[in-house]
Amino acid sequence: QVVESGGGLVQPGESLRLSCAASGFTFSLYWMNWVRQAPGKGLEWVASINQDGSVKKFVDSVMGRFTISRDNAKNSLFLQMNSLRAEDTAVYYCARDRVVGASYSVGWFDPWGQGTLVTVSP
Amino acid sequence: SSELTQDPAVSVALGQTVRITCQGDSLRNYYASWYQQKPGQAPILVIYNKNTRPSGIPDRFSGSSSGNTTSLTITGAQAEDEADYYCNSRDSSGNHVVFGGGTKLTVL
Repeated sequence: QVVESGGGLVQPGESLRLSCAASGFTFSLYWMNWVRQAPGKGLEWVASINQDGSVKKFVDSVMGRFTISRDNAKNSLFLQMNSLRAEDTAVYYCARDRVVGASYSVGWFDPWGQGTLVTVSP
Repeated sequence: SSELTQDPAVSVALGQTVRITCQGDSLRNYYASWYQQKPGQAPILVIYNKNTRPSGIPDRFSGSSSGNTTSLTITGAQAEDEADYYCNSRDSSGNHVVFGGGTKLTVL
């Protein structure tokens, strides 16, 4: 399973770091991902990171503001969010790629965490 | 705008069969996956690799693909299947992942 933490209320321009704790599987063998869902809206992929952290992908709207990282020794995934905007307000989900040892993120996400809410408001 | 297109809403009578579709150019090259999301809950994977169900997903859920369209079929829809359904896939460049806009399924 995966469990997110670190969400909260911040003002525009501020930063926040989300964490995702993984258990029950060999974390270092899987691509990991962040997906967000704005209130009342659909799912939006945010970022992916490969098994050793050497490859990172981002949706265009967060490029240069968000960073994804992982600590395989601690079975943890992170999302550092800087220069936050109102449009970043969403529930942020951590999700594992389903395929073990893949050379790219296949996009089949399972399992998902319960999500952590990030609210950006003055 | 999403590179994957879904109908916003679909309804089905209890016990009948419903097909939810997802269209996009990237689906010619990549298999999509499907997610069910009920209000206040995280999404769960119901179909991946064209027509593979994770353990615990009822066999009334199935997937198919042809050309630029992938479909999720629920054969004998149950009341508990009422939910939002999302498809996703890699995008046309292969570098990113995209989700469809979602389909709200109502079981009548």
